Amino acid sequence: GENVEQHPSTLSVQEGDSAVIKCTYSDSASNYFPWYKQELGKRPQLIIDIRSNVGEKKDQRIAVTLNKTAKHFSLHITETQPEDSAVYFCAASFIKAAGNKLTFGGGTRVLVKP
Amino acid sequence: GAGVSQSPSNKVTEKGKDVELRCDPISGHTALYWYRQSLGQGLEFLIYFQGNSAPDKSGLPSDRFSAERTGGSVSTLTIQRTQQEDSAVYLCASSFTSGWGYTFGSGTRLTVV
Repeated sequence: GENVEQHPSTLSVQEGDSAVIKCTYSDSASNYFPWYKQELGKRPQLIIDIRSNVGEKKDQRIAVTLNKTAKHFSLHITETQPEDSAVYFCAASFIKAAGNKLTFGGGTRVLVKP
Repeated sequence: GAGVSQSPSNKVTEKGKDVELRCDPISGHTALYWYRQSLGQGLEFLIYFQGNSAPDKSGLPSDRFSAERTGGSVSTLTIQRTQQEDSAVYLCASSFTSGWGYTFGSGTRLTVV
């Protein structure tokens, strides 16, 4: 089955700096890579996703890149703000017509220091 | 409904008792997923449903865990003879058939004492 590794496990950045989180996956058939943000005591929420036919996707201060050859993908947050402090999870799946589950990385705790 | 609804939000139970956790997915979402999150840990897959059938139940940790879904909507996760290691937040998510873009519920925090 799929296995997703995520690094680093914790990340502390100064407000205004950039944060980068990296994930690798094992199943070359995986074609869907979402990122979730989980604030303390809250549910995980989808913040951005990318499909395997795209190399990069941006949404305001957030961007995700995908390297299918190397089987890794990354989340980039620019101009970090205190409200970006949370745990971020990457995930991977081979989405097919009948659906499939997401396999999650272990999470990255991001702390943005004002 | 407007979102994924889980109940109860908190459950404290004595070791050895059975518990039932409920998930009501977003209307129209045919796929439903159960995950477990231990304190400060990641998201551990338990089982997923497509309609009323469960194509993948590989994550259920033991035969004390079971789940069902009826009418293609509400799902119940049952844990029999609870153990202290079952203490965790149990998260439910739903999506359209394809599986793109899960929406998670707020979870049930289970504490076994």
